[in-house]
Amino acid sequence: DAGVIQSPRHEVTEMGQEVTLRCKPISGHNSLFWYRQTMMRGLELLIYFNNNVPIDDSGMPEDRFSAKMPNASFSTLKIQPSEPRDSAVYFCASSLGGSGNTIYFGEGSWLTVV
Amino acid sequence: GNSVTQMEGPVTLSEEAFLTINCTYTATGYPSLFWYVQYPGEGLQLLLKATKADDKGSNKGFEATYRKETTSFHLEKGSVQVSDSAVYFCALSGGSQGNLIFGKGTKLSVKP
Repeated sequence: DAGVIQSPRHEVTEMGQEVTLRCKPISGHNSLFWYRQTMMRGLELLIYFNNNVPIDDSGMPEDRFSAKMPNASFSTLKIQPSEPRDSAVYFCASSLGGSGNTIYFGEGSWLTVV
Repeated sequence: GNSVTQMEGPVTLSEEAFLTINCTYTATGYPSLFWYVQYPGEGLQLLLKATKADDKGSNKGFEATYRKETTSFHLEKGSVQVSDSAVYFCALSGGSQGNLIFGKGTKLSVKP
């Protein structure tokens, strides 16, 4: 079975450029999550969707970050303009929703902004 | 609000040693509790979980028991292997949508 698929796996971009990270959740899952991992802050929940609707985006650091889920099989996280402090690993994850259900993570998108 | 506190690492053990990684939580209601493992360069994988008090989760020789009275979910393994070297995250699921709140992670290194 295909797991959560993220692209790109690695991205190096210059400060000020737009970055778009993509995610395909596991088929049938109705909850989708975007996390960011850094050495300093650990794993942070940025935003999550349920049935394609954003439920909580309080973790999105600032207006430069935006996320969309146009359909049940695709989501994007966009950073515009990017800054060096955005360098991190961005994980997409999905689940059947509800407390107690396992959240399945993708392999991550490793972003470096120079 | 909900939070998870786990012991800071790194933890270095010799092969076949006993492992304990402490995890305590603060939560309203009755959260589900999880341990995830992250191998170098990879995403997080579920290791085990428990959804109610006194439940024991187990997988690959690892165990953790949901202790409501001490608000703890300590991870244990009787005999670690070099292949267990990874970062271990304790997490709780407190929201209705099942979003996870993670501890900071504990890096485990097992030496032959």
